[in-house]
Amino acid sequence: QSVLTQPPSASGTPGQRVTISCAGSSSNIGNNYVYWYRQLPGTAPKLLIYRNNQRPSGVPDRFSGSKSGTSASLAISGLRSEDEADYYCAAWDDSLSGLVVFGGGTELTVL
Amino acid sequence: EVQLVESGGGLIQPGGSLRLSCAASGFTVSSNYMSWVRQAPGKGLEWISVIYSGGSTYYADSVKGRFTISRDNSKNTLYLQMNSLRAEDTAVYYCARGRGYREPFDYWGQGTLVTVSS
Repeated sequence: QSVLTQPPSASGTPGQRVTISCAGSSSNIGNNYVYWYRQLPGTAPKLLIYRNNQRPSGVPDRFSGSKSGTSASLAISGLRSEDEADYYCAAWDDSLSGLVVFGGGTELTVL
Repeated sequence: EVQLVESGGGLIQPGGSLRLSCAASGFTVSSNYMSWVRQAPGKGLEWISVIYSGGSTYYADSVKGRFTISRDNSKNTLYLQMNSLRAEDTAVYYCARGRGYREPFDYWGQGTLVTVSS
């Protein structure tokens, strides 16, 4: 069971806007930055969003992150077929759950 | 350019040992905290170990007492010594670089598969 809670799946049609939620607690999201990663099948996770809403260079502005209290969300606008992947949220954790805790991942399908 | 390249995975019998390596380039492993994260087949990501720039190490309860993280600054390489392996340790093991103080990871290696089976 993952410490952060994400929906197992999400879907949208090309051009649509999709959001993925990530719920935590005061020991992780509530008190620390949220990161988002994208993982294509058979590959390593890749940083998508850091410090709640910052994009690394090369990540298009179609991807945006936000955080409020102990929850966070990732929004993808202008959905494309190549956005099909697994998305994970992560945060530092102040308790004994682990140094960095992850969500269980959300499988995004572009219909 | 930051790069992390893992090696050392393979098929190992229960109770056996294996050492994973993670060769870093583009930065110094001792200047950031470094971690190992694993992903069991079809499952999510699980943090298992960290080594801080000062040398302190910590482990997830699932591997404590069986796994040891270390680094060789002269080779700019991170290691994970895995002993008393169990079937539930079967996973892809990634090394990852911590972005900064109390922040998760910015770079990941490509991963190496460890399969524990008789």
